[in-house]
Amino acid sequence: GAGVSQSPRYKVAKRGQDVALRCDPISGHVSLFWYQQALGQGPEFLTYFQNEAQLDKSGLPSDRFFAERPEGSVSTLKIQRTQQEDSAVYLCASSLVFGSNEQFFGPGTRLTVL
Amino acid sequence: DQQVKQNSPSLSVQEGRISILNCDYTNSMFDYFLWYKKYPAEGPTFLISISSIKDKNEDGRFTVFLNKSAKHLSLHIVPSQPGDSAVYFCAANPTGKLIFGQGTTLQVKP
Repeated sequence: GAGVSQSPRYKVAKRGQDVALRCDPISGHVSLFWYQQALGQGPEFLTYFQNEAQLDKSGLPSDRFFAERPEGSVSTLKIQRTQQEDSAVYLCASSLVFGSNEQFFGPGTRLTVL
Repeated sequence: DQQVKQNSPSLSVQEGRISILNCDYTNSMFDYFLWYKKYPAEGPTFLISISSIKDKNEDGRFTVFLNKSAKHLSLHIVPSQPGDSAVYFCAANPTGKLIFGQGTTLQVKP
């Protein structure tokens, strides 16, 4: 596909369950970002990859959040032992190079933790 | 501590009129700003940007103005169309990762 894709689009988890969210960036894009968007708020930065290297994870809220991009393409955001406060839309974005001013966003995964 | 602020949660305008969306920022080191548009159940899409070396950037019906001394930027849409109804996010890009405002929901009434 031409754009960034994310799966699943919707995920309902019971509190304490582990979840994995997938992002397929635009082919050839070096940089990949994860953002968390709470209801009524703007997206907030979680973590950033350049190829397979995770260069910034300063926005991850806790050690229950883990992201990887082992082959420098697809990325997975994993949340262990989900809590209700993890309920949000998780957005993935990619850009051709780091520092490129335009990031292309996927549709997001809406996570609801019951 | 919100570094980028959009103080108006919503705005309603009549079709054909001008829409003005506002954004304030706190860090004078920010030097690049973007506006994104978001429809429900979709990701944000890039609309227009401006560098701090300029005070205005125009693209069709969309113009962004930057007032560095006031740390304020605004997005003007003229004429507004019903298809412009969406959530608009202002963002700063100081280090490669975007810092977003809270968003303003624009409704353009036919």
